[in-house]
Amino acid sequence: QKEVEQDPGPLSVPEGAIVSLNCTYSNSAFQYFMWYRQYSRKGPELLMYTYSSGNKEDGRFTAQVDKSSKYISLFIRDSQPSDSATYLCAMGRYSTLTFGKGTMLLVSP
Amino acid sequence: GAGVSQSPSNKVTEKGKDVELRCDPISGHTALYWYRQSLGQGLEFLIYFQGNSAPDKSGLPSDRFSAERTGGSVSTLTIQRTQQEDSAVYLCASSARQGSYEQYFGPGTRLTVT
Repeated sequence: QKEVEQDPGPLSVPEGAIVSLNCTYSNSAFQYFMWYRQYSRKGPELLMYTYSSGNKEDGRFTAQVDKSSKYISLFIRDSQPSDSATYLCAMGRYSTLTFGKGTMLLVSP
Repeated sequence: GAGVSQSPSNKVTEKGKDVELRCDPISGHTALYWYRQSLGQGLEFLIYFQGNSAPDKSGLPSDRFSAERTGGSVSTLTIQRTQQEDSAVYLCASSARQGSYEQYFGPGTRLTVT
């Protein structure tokens, strides 16, 4: 079992939809939970991070962590075509991150 | 301010040649990371530098891979005797301090070994 599992997609939604992206993990030692967005042929861009169970909101984005289930989610409200990208979850332990493979999101106008 | 920069952006090399990839971290960032991203794969950790400490080389896939960081700033990743399976995007990231998980990535170097 890989430490971090993430459905590669692609996930196709119409503009304005609510998007749910998810990751599961197996290592209970992970301390930080992060979401990166990566546009084609660009480096990953940090979107959000949290270190505790619960929700964290930033504009149209909400990150949710459930440590008891080893499950994290990223919700995108009112999705826009500009949200079309690959979303990578990452888990932190000490000073290193373990990444999921990324979910490709396609938002059609 | 300026972000992480990497050069070259693209590199095509013949199998068996050596290549050097360069990373300029964000000014003042003490931690620097190298990752590899292959098609359909996630980011694979390669090596981590923190200040003047010995680097964490635990992710280097073979002894053909090495990296150095001069003056606590610029880093070079060297791949010797390149193989076709080395073809990937090599990403560099930096963070402000030890223990910070906020890593900021450069645009990557796309390496193609023919």
